[in-house]
Amino acid sequence: EILLTQSPATLSVSPGERATLSCRASQSISSDLAWYQQKPGQAPRLLMYGASTRATGIPARFSGSGSGTEFTLTISSLQSEDFAVYYCQHYSNGPKTFGQGTKLEIK
Amino acid sequence: EVQLVESGGGLVQPGGSLRLSCEVSGITFSSYWMHWVRQAPGKGPVWVARIDNDGSSTNYADSVKGRFTISRDNAKNTLYLQMSSLGADDSAVYYCVRDPAGYFDLWGRGTLVIVSS
Repeated sequence: EILLTQSPATLSVSPGERATLSCRASQSISSDLAWYQQKPGQAPRLLMYGASTRATGIPARFSGSGSGTEFTLTISSLQSEDFAVYYCQHYSNGPKTFGQGTKLEIK
Repeated sequence: EVQLVESGGGLVQPGGSLRLSCEVSGITFSSYWMHWVRQAPGKGPVWVARIDNDGSSTNYADSVKGRFTISRDNAKNTLYLQMSSLGADDSAVYYCVRDPAGYFDLWGRGTLVIVSS
């Protein structure tokens, strides 16, 4: 089973600033990585797939990069609605595992 | 409007059984692989089971293999999860999700399963 490790666990950033979230895979997953955003009481929402392709309706301030084992989600200028928990998930070989999440909170 | 609406959750005693349903509308249900994903309170999502578009192939997480069965009725646009021998670790919100190419682009609101005596 491929393990995904997200860092940091919590990230405190001020509105308008940039946030960088990381996800590391225990083995190469090519670009088979997705990112999700989850707000309290809601289901996760797909943000990014193929490591760097924004899902339908996702603002351009969200960008993804990486391949192999190292991936990054960047939010260029944080808006109030962006404060949430973010999960990465791989869809390469074996069970589709999720990372443990990064909580993005207001500084 | 696309909708995935789960139902069937509730309180069940340890060792008991439950069947979850997910009614799907607004998409061509029979064209997609579908999954169940669960999330315990305060924890991250965990993939549970997957079924291909015509129901001929299924896969399960090791933690539920032999206890859970995923199925679908394409005529009714409905996905199912039959759960048996339930334990406390199975307590979670269960989400029905669509898989267009490996990732999960549509999620229902979820149905809560609580296993407790």
